[in-house]
Amino acid sequence: QVQLVESGGAVVQPGRSLRLSCSASGFTFRSYALHWVRQAPGKGLEWVALISYDGSSIYYTDSVKGRFTISRDNAKNTVYLQMNSLRLEDTAVYYCARDFGVPEPIHMLDYWGQGTLVTVSS
Amino acid sequence: DIQMTQSPSSVSAFVGDRVTITCRASQSIGIYLNWYQQRPGKAPKLLIFVASRLQSGVPSRFSGSGSGTDFTLTISSLQPEDFATYYCQRSYSIPITFGQGTRLEI
Repeated sequence: QVQLVESGGAVVQPGRSLRLSCSASGFTFRSYALHWVRQAPGKGLEWVALISYDGSSIYYTDSVKGRFTISRDNAKNTVYLQMNSLRLEDTAVYYCARDFGVPEPIHMLDYWGQGTLVTVSS
Repeated sequence: DIQMTQSPSSVSAFVGDRVTITCRASQSIGIYLNWYQQRPGKAPKLLIFVASRLQSGVPSRFSGSGSGTDFTLTISSLQPEDFATYYCQRSYSIPITFGQGTRLEI
């Protein structure tokens, strides 16, 4: 069955960096686009980033452009989110999610990981 | 960017009730609207895609309708496990945007 497992969440100080990983199994990883979506404590869902199946197309929400980098390693079935210059408002549970579309994304997220918590605090 | 607005923000209901949640887009999005359920402490789960198609494994008491700017999610007969927050989401365009969520309290 499809599984997405995030890791790398931690407590970090403002301005520091953190890299999240999402390890996938149960499907042909190299055929699917992947997303990162976050949820601040007690708040709603916020889409963060998207990477195409081959990594050639990448998109970000405006608030993380220039600070976050999404990447993938299809040999390791893993997608990453490198987060630099972290801010207090980046505190959230970060989910990775698979896009339903093959191979082009259609922005329908059909499988989600359990999430990893990032806390930015001084 | 297109904004997605859900109503109500929260709703209380009883087991067996019929509940409808509305999502309105700030401009027409055709049928490119998905619905997700998020139970407390859990990851979101896709319920309905392209406005009215039920995701595999989702009970038939869930249904979706609408097009253009106005969409609805209906739960025909509430079950205890339906206590959750529901989000609409616009697809087929970047940035991907979610509604603010509707909390359903049983």
